[in-house]
Amino acid sequence: AQSVTQPDIHITVSEGASLELRCNYSYGATPYLFWYVQSPGQGLQLLLKYFSGDTLVQGIKGFEAEFKRSQSSFNLRKPSVHWSDAAEYFCAVGARGYQKVTFGIGTKLQVIP
Amino acid sequence: DAGVIQSPRHEVTEMGQEVTLRCKPISGHDYLFWYRQTMMRGLELLIYFNNNVPIDDSGMPEDRFSAKMPNASFSTLKIQPSEPRDSAVYFCASSHRGPEAFFGQGTRLTVV
Repeated sequence: AQSVTQPDIHITVSEGASLELRCNYSYGATPYLFWYVQSPGQGLQLLLKYFSGDTLVQGIKGFEAEFKRSQSSFNLRKPSVHWSDAAEYFCAVGARGYQKVTFGIGTKLQVIP
Repeated sequence: DAGVIQSPRHEVTEMGQEVTLRCKPISGHDYLFWYRQTMMRGLELLIYFNNNVPIDDSGMPEDRFSAKMPNASFSTLKIQPSEPRDSAVYFCASSHRGPEAFFGQGTRLTVV
């Protein structure tokens, strides 16, 4: 069974600073990988996904993530954070050929002026 | 499309009462998922349907929980009888042919 670890429960960054949120997964083969964002009181919105091909994927809102097979990681990055990026971010992993996706516990991002 | 629509947005009920949560998936999507989100356990998949047929209900916590999808545009999650530990945010999500899911805004359930 697949699993995903988000080691940082809470991260605080200054507005304009760069951001990297960590995600490590466990799965025997090449997985499907996702990053979702959840604003308070809202549902989850897909930021980006990796299925195959280029290991650097671009998403919405200026986010990108890089799949590193050797490190079993799929870290999310943004070069310059905006106050509106404050939210909770979830990494998720899925097995090819299956619809079930396993979510990480989430990383709550706080942005300070 | 209006996205995945869930109702109600908030539900407060007394222990022992029946609770029904409703979901309208995005038109044309053939997969529907029910998730539960709590502080302690995070986001858990309860059940998912493909073309209105339940495929995997291994995440349903116990027999008090049941889900149906009578047609492609409607699904329900029912808890009977409800208990305080069922308090959580319940999300419905839908997808087309793959695991990339679109989520509704959720129903916050409080059982007192």
